[in-house]
Amino acid sequence: EPEVTQTPSHQVTQMGQEVILRCVPISNHLYFYWYRQILGQKVEFLVSFYNNEISEKSEIFDDQFSVERPDGSNFTLKIRSTKLEDSAMYFCASSAGTGTQETQYFGPGTRLLVL
Amino acid sequence: GNSVTQMEGPVTLSEEAFLTINCTYTATGYPSLFWYVQYPGEGLQLLLKATKADDKGSNKGFEATYRKETTSFHLEKGSVQVSDSAVYFCARKANQAGTALIFGKGTTLSVSS
Repeated sequence: EPEVTQTPSHQVTQMGQEVILRCVPISNHLYFYWYRQILGQKVEFLVSFYNNEISEKSEIFDDQFSVERPDGSNFTLKIRSTKLEDSAMYFCASSAGTGTQETQYFGPGTRLLVL
Repeated sequence: GNSVTQMEGPVTLSEEAFLTINCTYTATGYPSLFWYVQYPGEGLQLLLKATKADDKGSNKGFEATYRKETTSFHLEKGSVQVSDSAVYFCARKANQAGTALIFGKGTTLSVSS
């Protein structure tokens, strides 16, 4: 069964450094998403991406964040100048469509720790 | 506001016990509702969903009914197994036209034999 994959599974970085989290969505999906979950808190929507542009983003997704689909298979989340509060589990998801029947398929997550 | 509230965990049950995990939502209109499950070391998997009021979603023995009167989508299973041990997340579409999901905090279920 096709699945969303994410790399790395864990990343430790120093405050102020840039990190890139990588995702390979399901191959025939057209919509891509990033969510995050700070430890003990809710899973929060960050951004959705379609047709090589952001289609929706939350208040959390400020200028520190960017997304890119650099080739036909990868979807990345870049966090510039990381802060301690960026420590969280980051989930990538993809879907074939966006209607009421849409299902978002999630990857296993990347756990980011900022020191 | 727009939110999803689910019962605090952990929920600890013996095998074959009845399970209920409560979920309520606030929304304008009637957004699609979902239950996702996260097994240890894995990603979020869709367990079931309901797209309109009074719909019942079901999968793997789990059920949830979309109740607009009580703005609830409680997850139930008649007889849990050890393999059901996981974290369960209730979620709703942020709005009908958009793509974002709004999640609850998650409820950890631990089933012992």
